[in-house]
Amino acid sequence: GDSVTQMEGPVTLSEEAFLTINCTYTATGYPSLFWYVQYPGEGLQLLLKATKADDKGSNKGFEATYRKETTSFHLEKGSVQVSDSAVYFCALSDTGANSKLTFGKGITLSVRP
Amino acid sequence: DTGVSQDPRHKITKRGQNVTFRCDPISEHNRLYWYRQTLGQGPEFLTYFQNEAQLEKSRLLSDRFSAERPKGSFSTLEIQRTEQGDSAMYLCASSRVSQNTEAFFGQGTRLTVV
Repeated sequence: GDSVTQMEGPVTLSEEAFLTINCTYTATGYPSLFWYVQYPGEGLQLLLKATKADDKGSNKGFEATYRKETTSFHLEKGSVQVSDSAVYFCALSDTGANSKLTFGKGITLSVRP
Repeated sequence: DTGVSQDPRHKITKRGQNVTFRCDPISEHNRLYWYRQTLGQGPEFLTYFQNEAQLEKSRLLSDRFSAERPKGSFSTLEIQRTEQGDSAMYLCASSRVSQNTEAFFGQGTRLTVV
């Protein structure tokens, strides 16, 4: 079945550091790929998405490119802020009728001033 | 539009008791999903509805679990004879019927079975 693998965490960075969070996936079809973020005390929010190979999703300075050849969707940001501290989940949605999401385990990012 | 609303936010129950959670989706969304999230894990799909029809159930959804969406609006998730292993965050999400559309999540109901 479909699966998503995220790098092990947690990750602690200093403000303005470069961020990469790795995500790879296994899927039988051509899934859509997502990054969701969960800020402390809040619900899951969509951060960005990509629906086909070579698409780049971007939002709030974060970017991720759908790489079919490496089955990856790594999240990057050039300069993190303290306010980026949150849990980040990589997810995929199959192209079937139900569009259910399969999530990775999530990774906690802490950014220190 | 206040987003997806879940009630209660927290529930503590004794093992063997029944519990029921409610989810109110975004009003124009006709798809509604339930997920379960345990500590240190990502959310896992339980079931989904399109309007009032329950179209898929995960094998994670044992016979003690039942979900309804009687009028295609709000949904309830009931767990009968709760077990300690049911302790988790139960998340509801809603979306429109459209491929690749965004799912909006509620803040979840945290269940603790003691």
